[in-house]
Amino acid sequence: RKEVEQDPGPFNVPEGATVAFNCTYSNSASQSFFWYRQDCRKEPKLLMSVYSSGNEDGRFTAQLNRASQYISLLIRDSKLSDSATYLCVVANQGGKLIFGQGTELSVKP
Amino acid sequence: DAGVIQSPRHEVTEMGQEVTLRCKPISGHDYLFWYRQTMMRGLELLIYFNNNVPIDDSGMPEDRFSAKMPNASFSTLKIQPSEPRDSAVYFCASSPKLAGVPAYGNEQFFGPGTRLTVL
Repeated sequence: RKEVEQDPGPFNVPEGATVAFNCTYSNSASQSFFWYRQDCRKEPKLLMSVYSSGNEDGRFTAQLNRASQYISLLIRDSKLSDSATYLCVVANQGGKLIFGQGTELSVKP
Repeated sequence: DAGVIQSPRHEVTEMGQEVTLRCKPISGHDYLFWYRQTMMRGLELLIYFNNNVPIDDSGMPEDRFSAKMPNASFSTLKIQPSEPRDSAVYFCASSPKLAGVPAYGNEQFFGPGTRLTVL
């Protein structure tokens, strides 16, 4: 079983749609959680950290459920520019980042 | 700051040849990471350094891979001899802090990557 699992997609949605990505992790001792975004043939970039209380950044909302070892990302009012691969990332006690395989999002006009 | 710099951006070589990938981290960042990304395995950590010292190399696939960080502004990842299964995108990343504890400043900044093809 992979340490971080995501639905690979692709998710094909129209502009303005709300889309949710889910992620599960296997190590209950994991310390930090993130969502990274990777555009095609580019490097990953931090989208947002995920905090236990949940956090929001504009149209993006991240949630963490430590009991279920589950992380989510909600994108509201999706834009064409949101098209990318979204990587669920978990940091273990040693500070190493473990990346999920990524969920591909394609927003269509 | 120019961000993390990697060279070359693309490398095509033949099986058995030595390959050296280079990275310049963001100035002031204490941590440097080498990752490999493939379609099959996704993004995997190979090795990371703290203040130029290798801390964890458990992700290095085999003895053909080696990494060095002779000073705070330069690191290399070497593959000798290279094999077709080494074909991947290799990313270097740096961060001011380690991500293990939630804290401001633990974001990892990635370079543009080196796309390696071994024929």
